Amino acid sequence: DAGVIQSPRHEVTEMGQEVTLRCKLISGHNSLFWYRQTMMRGLELLIYFNNNVPIDDSGMPEDRFSAKMPNASFSTLKIQPSEPRDSAVYFCASSYFTTGMNTEAFFGQGTRLTVV
Amino acid sequence: KQEVTQIPAALSVPEGENLVLNCSFTDSAIYNLQWFRQDPGKGLTSLLLIQSSQREQTSGRLNASLDKSSGRSTLYIAASQPGDSATYLCAVRHSGYALNFGKGTSLLVTP
Repeated sequence: DAGVIQSPRHEVTEMGQEVTLRCKLISGHNSLFWYRQTMMRGLELLIYFNNNVPIDDSGMPEDRFSAKMPNASFSTLKIQPSEPRDSAVYFCASSYFTTGMNTEAFFGQGTRLTVV
Repeated sequence: KQEVTQIPAALSVPEGENLVLNCSFTDSAIYNLQWFRQDPGKGLTSLLLIQSSQREQTSGRLNASLDKSSGRSTLYIAASQPGDSATYLCAVRHSGYALNFGKGTSLLVTP
């Protein structure tokens, strides 16, 4: 397996534009996490899905952020409209979770987003 | 809310030293604990996963221990090498919930 795959690796966009980040889970995994990393705040959880269902979206900053899992292996994180304070590295991670079993979480290489 | 603290925030050691990184968490009802390594500009690489029923895990020169009752984990690195220089992150997970991360320890191993 190629691991968790994120695209694009780098994104530079102008304030007000829509940004879509993509993530492909490891085959067989059913848990999907989106994190944001900045120097000031470290790694922050944005949203967590299990079996395609959002379990915890309390970290989504505001209505400008939305995340979906259109199928069991793929997720998108959309920011509309983007703002300079959204500039950060966005990570996607996946693992397998069921009652009584919880595997390692594996991270993608991240998308470095710059909003100018 | 679970708080995860890593001490020290930064550490510099000469090559060959054995070292210990610390992680503490406030809620001991965890499902598992995972140690990661992050190189500058890169993603997170999983090093070790300790389930709540386990006391330690070993991989090569790395050994991680878990004491749930005291809310602590340590990552022991034996015979450190310059290639070990990176940021080390500890994350805890409660059943059904996402990983909760500490701020990390930035390690520099000098030749």
